[in-house]
Amino acid sequence: QVQLQESGPGLVKPSQTLSLTCAVSGGSISSGDYFCSWIRQPPGKGLEWIGYIYYSGSTYYSPSLKRRVTMSVDTSKNQFSLNLTSVTAADTAVYYCATEGAPDGALDYWGQGTLVTVSS
Amino acid sequence: DIVMTQSPDSLAVSLGERATVNCKSSQSVSHRSDNKNYLAWYQQKPGQAPKLLIHWASTRESGVPDRFSGSGSGTDFTLTISGLQAEDVAVYYCQQYYATPRTFGQGTNLEIK
Repeated sequence: QVQLQESGPGLVKPSQTLSLTCAVSGGSISSGDYFCSWIRQPPGKGLEWIGYIYYSGSTYYSPSLKRRVTMSVDTSKNQFSLNLTSVTAADTAVYYCATEGAPDGALDYWGQGTLVTVSS
Repeated sequence: DIVMTQSPDSLAVSLGERATVNCKSSQSVSHRSDNKNYLAWYQQKPGQAPKLLIHWASTRESGVPDRFSGSGSGTDFTLTISGLQAEDVAVYYCQQYYATPRTFGQGTNLEIK
């Protein structure tokens, strides 16, 4: 059973960079069995897909966030990361990491989520 | 982007009754090559992460009670909960994984009447 755990600062100042890491256990990112995904949910709102990264380093980012998003993967640590630059209050959300079955599949395993608040 | 639209936005159903949530995509999420529908349903309870219930439009994830069923193809899909239980109170989302960017419906809030 794959388990995911997000970590990172819960508070980020406006214009700074939000950085989160997702540690994966119970499965190997290097297996190539899934895409490593990020999804966010503003308080009281719905789910927004941010993008995903494959173990090879290939990425796809949502066009609405593409200019500000970078994802990376560290197969030696079995974890992947999200960087979101120039944050504003609109980026305040619970951020989830999840796995999507490769080559195509639903989001089958999710982390518990971490709330990131953008505020000075 | 493929737009996913759910109806209704909220729903109140009596215990033991049937709940139906609809999801419509702005274009087909079915591949001609394999005839599969790239559509998933998730359940999100308060304070929890979403949980995958159904994928390929009608395949229940392991461990999901059989009162949950999915149907539909092309652009129109339905999640049915037969015999609503108290623990089914949640927000339900549909999502397409036919194309990138992946997109979700706005969610349907299911309550007990």
